[in-house]
Formats: sequence, C-alpha cells, structure tokens
Amino acid sequence: GAVVSQHPSWVICKSGTSVKIECRSLDFQATTMFWYRQFPKQSLMLMATSNEGSKATYEQGVEKDKFLINHASLTLSTLTVTSAHPEDSSFYICSARDSLYGYTFGSGTRLTVV
Amino acid sequence: KQEVTQIPAALSVPEGENLVLNCSFTDSAIYNLQWFRQDPGKGLTSLLLIQSSQREQTSGRLNASLDKSSGRSTLYIAASQPGDSATYLCAVRGATSYDKVIFGPGTSLSVIP
Repeated sequence: GAVVSQHPSWVICKSGTSVKIECRSLDFQATTMFWYRQFPKQSLMLMATSNEGSKATYEQGVEKDKFLINHASLTLSTLTVTSAHPEDSSFYICSARDSLYGYTFGSGTRLTVV
Repeated sequence: KQEVTQIPAALSVPEGENLVLNCSFTDSAIYNLQWFRQDPGKGLTSLLLIQSSQREQTSGRLNASLDKSSGRSTLYIAASQPGDSATYLCAVRGATSYDKVIFGPGTSLSVIP
C-alpha cells in the first residue's frame, strides 16, 4: 500500500529557532499533501493544503509566515515552523492523497519548544 | 459546514466483547469515509475506507458500515483484544476527491485483559 514517511519523529528546539519537518510519499506521487496539528487529547486540525509547484492554501487562523510550506516535488512537502515558541509545541502530521488508498498519513512529529 | 461527531468519547470493555463505535456527519454529500486508529503519541493507521457508493467494508475482525442518507457510520470490532486499545478516528471527505478531510474527535477505547 501507499506509504508516507515523515521525519523527524520528534524534535526539541530552543525558543526562537526554526524547525523543518519533511513528508515524503515513498511509492506514489502526491500532487497534494496536507498538514495537520494535534493538541493533546484532541482531534486533528487541518493547517494547510500543500500543492506541488504552487503556494499552499492555509486554513483560517493559521499564520502562513510562521508555518512555511514548500512542495517542490511530487514526493516531498516540508513544513518549517519559524521562530518557534513554546505554544507551537504540538504533534504535527502530514498526509498525502492517493486516489486508490484515500488518505495516507505519516507517523507524525512531536515538536517541543523549550 | 461539515461537522463530524463520534460517540462514545471513551469506552472500556473486557477482553472478548464485541463493540460498536459510532460516527455521525452533518452533510451527506461525501466522497468517502475512512476509519483510523491512533496509538498514543503515534501517527494514524488507516483501518477501512468506504467509498460513497459502498455500504460496508470488512477487514479481519473489523467491519465498517456507511449510511450516507442518515449521515452515520459504525465501526464494529469483534472479539476485542487488549491490543485493540487505541483512539479510533473517523474522517469524512467532502463531495469530491479534491475536498478536505474532516476528522471526528475520536473514541478512546480501552480493552481490559
């Protein structure tokens, strides 16, 4: 089946630094990828839709200058959390749309900003 | 605006019991519905995907049904095992394959040995 690889699985960074999270589709091409954020004991909230070769579409309330998304190829999308602060600490998950398998999700990234 | 709810929010059952998890959605114009499992601190594992034209899907001890007209889906787990303990999420995709996926809040399942 379709596989989405997400790295890193966890990261700890200092306040004010930037962190990049990668999401790769391993055995299929993903023209569209999605980035979600999950707070403890809550469901997934869509942050943005990443389209290969074009600008990402952000959901209402998501700061596009803080959460930079790049989808430069059909198999790779990246989310960069810029100038991270403790309130950005969360679980971030990417997914890719594959018409055969529906939505395939990465394993997630636990970000802790100290 | 599509809203997805799941009942119950939490469920604790003894090992071996059959159980049903419920998912409801407000807009019946959906492309498909997907059930996921999430273990603590982990990503999502897809369990079953039901296209809008289908009524149910089965995989091993899992059976998911879909009733679009009433806006409901159920996930049936037979002969539950402690390894089934996890949070179960249902997710609904909008009317077309390009629409967003909306997640329910999840049901936290605990199977007691």
